[in-house]
Amino acid sequence: AQSVTQPDIHITVSEGASLELRCNYSYGATPYLFWYVQSPGQGLQLLLKYFSGDTLVQGIKGFEAEFKRSQSSFNLRKPSVHWSDAAEYFCAVSTSSNTGKLIFGQGTTLQVKP
Amino acid sequence: KAGVTQTPRYLIKTRGQQVTLSCSPISGHRSVSWYQQTPGQGLQFLFEYFSETQRNKGNFPGRFSGRQFSNSRSEMNVSTLELGDSALYLCASSSPGAWKDTQYFGPGTRLTVL
Repeated sequence: AQSVTQPDIHITVSEGASLELRCNYSYGATPYLFWYVQSPGQGLQLLLKYFSGDTLVQGIKGFEAEFKRSQSSFNLRKPSVHWSDAAEYFCAVSTSSNTGKLIFGQGTTLQVKP
Repeated sequence: KAGVTQTPRYLIKTRGQQVTLSCSPISGHRSVSWYQQTPGQGLQFLFEYFSETQRNKGNFPGRFSGRQFSNSRSEMNVSTLELGDSALYLCASSSPGAWKDTQYFGPGTRLTVL
């Protein structure tokens, strides 16, 4: 069965520091990968997605992610974190070409220190 | 363009009751998916509707059901509520049902079962 693992439940970084959130997936073929962010009391907002092509994808709010097939990973990065980035981040995978079904990781909560 | 709207935003019910949640997708979107979010189980896919037909279903008991109307609005119903049904229920829409399209999430309905 397909699955998504986010190894870090909680991460704390200082404002201005770089950030990397890890995501590993389990799926035999090429998955379709997503990163979402959720602020308290809000729904999910898409940061970026990967379907094919260039393995480094750029998203909104200065985020980027790199797809590494050999490591089954899709890590999210940001060079300089802002206090407003504090939120919960979810990695997700879609494995079918005919569905809106997403399989989500457990999420990583990001805390930003001033 | 208005985003995905969900009503009500908050709901308190008692065990054994039933509840209906509503989701209005973004104008022009024909695919609607529902997710349950709990601290313990995370985000789990409930079902997806496209053009009034259920296209995919997650691993939830039959107490959870849904439907979609001709205007793409969707409702989900939970009968015989249990304490464990307390969760944030998120609805997402995409256009026009293609998996490559971004799913836009609503703010969710917070259901509390007492």
